[in-house]
Amino acid sequence: NAGVMQNPRHLVRRRGQEARLRCSPMKGHSHVYWYRQLPEEGLKFMVYLQKENIIDESGMPKERFSAEFPKEGPSILRIQQVVRGDSAAYFCASSGAGTWGAEAFFGQGTRLTVV
Amino acid sequence: DQQVKQNSPSLSVQEGRISILNCDYTNSMFDYFLWYKKYPAEGPTFLISISSIKDKNEDGRFTVFLNKSAKHLSLHIVPSQPGDSAVYFCAARANRDDKIIFGKGTRLHILP
Repeated sequence: NAGVMQNPRHLVRRRGQEARLRCSPMKGHSHVYWYRQLPEEGLKFMVYLQKENIIDESGMPKERFSAEFPKEGPSILRIQQVVRGDSAAYFCASSGAGTWGAEAFFGQGTRLTVV
Repeated sequence: DQQVKQNSPSLSVQEGRISILNCDYTNSMFDYFLWYKKYPAEGPTFLISISSIKDKNEDGRFTVFLNKSAKHLSLHIVPSQPGDSAVYFCAARANRDDKIIFGKGTRLHILP
């Protein structure tokens, strides 16, 4: 049973380009969360999605960032016109509905470097 | 506004001794509390959780204690082992279907 899969593991973009980060949740999981970790910082919540719905995007920057979790396929975190300050590790996590332990399982992350 | 606080950025403990990592929270709506462990260049790994109806949960060497009145929880690791050296994140959520809020983490060093 594969865990949460994120790709690419490393992504380098020039300022002004677009970055697309993909996340395939664990089999059977319908909830996806995206987090960002800046150097020497904790995990900052960005967005919480269920299939075809954004449940909570209170942590998403108002501009340039968007996320989706379509009926078919992985969840995508999209960053348009990247700037140096977007360089960070982006983690995706997934959980199943009604999981007693309430835990979410994380992928290995995508390390975005903007040059 | 930081809802989950880990006030110790780092902690050093002798191998074989007990490691105690602390966490405070401000949101009284939190119902579930979780601890994650993270190695460099890897994703966080779930360790142990506790719901607000309990005050203690144990899993092998790991025990989490919850003091609701003080809005405080702690993770005890005993005995500490070299492989326990990592960053530990405390996290909380208001219910099973809510977002998970993380603290900034505590870096644990296990000394030989």
